[in-house]
Parts: sequence; C-alpha cells; structure tokens
Amino acid sequence: KQEVTQIPAALSVPEGENLVLNCSFTDSAIYNLQWFRQDPGKGLTSLLLIQSSQREQTSGRLNASLDKSSGRSTLYIAASQPGDSATYLCAVSPSNDYKLSFGAGTTVTVRA
Amino acid sequence: GAVVSQHPSWVICKSGTSVKIECRSLDFQATTMFWYRQFPKQSLMLMATSNEGSKATYEQGVEKDKFLINHASLTLSTLTVTSAHPEDSSFYICSASGLGTQYFGPGTRLLVL
Repeated sequence: KQEVTQIPAALSVPEGENLVLNCSFTDSAIYNLQWFRQDPGKGLTSLLLIQSSQREQTSGRLNASLDKSSGRSTLYIAASQPGDSATYLCAVSPSNDYKLSFGAGTTVTVRA
Repeated sequence: GAVVSQHPSWVICKSGTSVKIECRSLDFQATTMFWYRQFPKQSLMLMATSNEGSKATYEQGVEKDKFLINHASLTLSTLTVTSAHPEDSSFYICSASGLGTQYFGPGTRLLVL
C-alpha cells in the first residue's frame, strides 16, 4: 500500500523567505505526482502535476521536482508572501485512473 | 475552468439520521467521481470510486452499507451517510474526472451531534 509522508507538518517563515516542502512515497511505481493547496475549510486547488517521466514542473514562483527512484518530491516556493499561507498536500497516483494517495500536508504560515 | 460543486457546504444533524451530500460537475461530463474524507490535520482518504450507471467501488475498510453512493448521471454523484454517528463527523470532498484531468469540489463539513 502506498504511503505518502510530508515533512515538516508545519512551517512558519517571515515574508520573502523561500519555502521548501518535502514529500516522500514508499512505492516508486507512480503514474504522476501532484501538489495541491488547501485553505482552511476549503477544497483543493491543484498547483503542479508532474508525470512520472518528468523531473520537474514550474509555475510562477512554484517549482516542484520529482525523483521517482528515491520516492521523493520537493515543492519550492520562492519569495513567500502572506497569501501563500495554507496547507500544501502532496498526492501520488499509481495509474491514469485518477485515484490519489495523499500525504497529511504541510501547513505553512508566512508572517508579514 | 471546470467547476465541481458540492451541496450542502456544511450540515449538522442528530445521531441516527441520514445525510445526503451532492457532488456535481457543472460544465463537463464526469466519467468517474471519487469521494474522500478528511479528519482534522490528516490526509484525505479515498472512500470510493463511482462510475456513472454502475455500482461504486469501495476502498478497504469503508462500509458500503453505511456510505451509500449513487452516480445517476454524468454530472451528479451523491453520498448518503446512513444512520450517522458522531464518529462520522468529518470533511467530505468529492472529485470528478473529465477533460483529461481531475477537479475537486469545495467539500462538505458534516457534524453529527
């Protein structure tokens, strides 16, 4: 069974600092990996999707890397802003059937 | 972009009653819909997968008689929590696959007293 772990569970940084969020998964046979953002009491917003054949994806200030063989992904958020405060979830899919295994998330607080 | 809605957004009910949650894909046809539940500060756990016109596939440990799923059309799936108890209190999120990707609903907060 796929286990997804996110470290740290919580992170507090001053505005402007770069953020590094880690995700690890036990079964490297994945189809893709996604990073989501979740605001308190809300649903999920997809941030980045990395296919298993890719090493990284970038969108604006966000960059996600994937090392499938070691079962790791890292989400980098450059020049953090208070609006980046949220919980960030990592999820992997074993195939193209859209079933996802989620990590517990990293809750980020960016202090103004 | 594509939108998935859930109704209600939150519900409070008495123990022993049944609660129905709707998940709708508003501008696309969803071949498959998924139901997740999330406890505070925990990850989303997949409960079941539903395909239009067929029975839902439940994940191990999820009681199908407790959590009834109906996927009557390509734009609507419903989750009914039967004889709800306080331990069923949770955040329920649906997602719908279509247009080559997956979209998540905003979630439904259920509190059983």
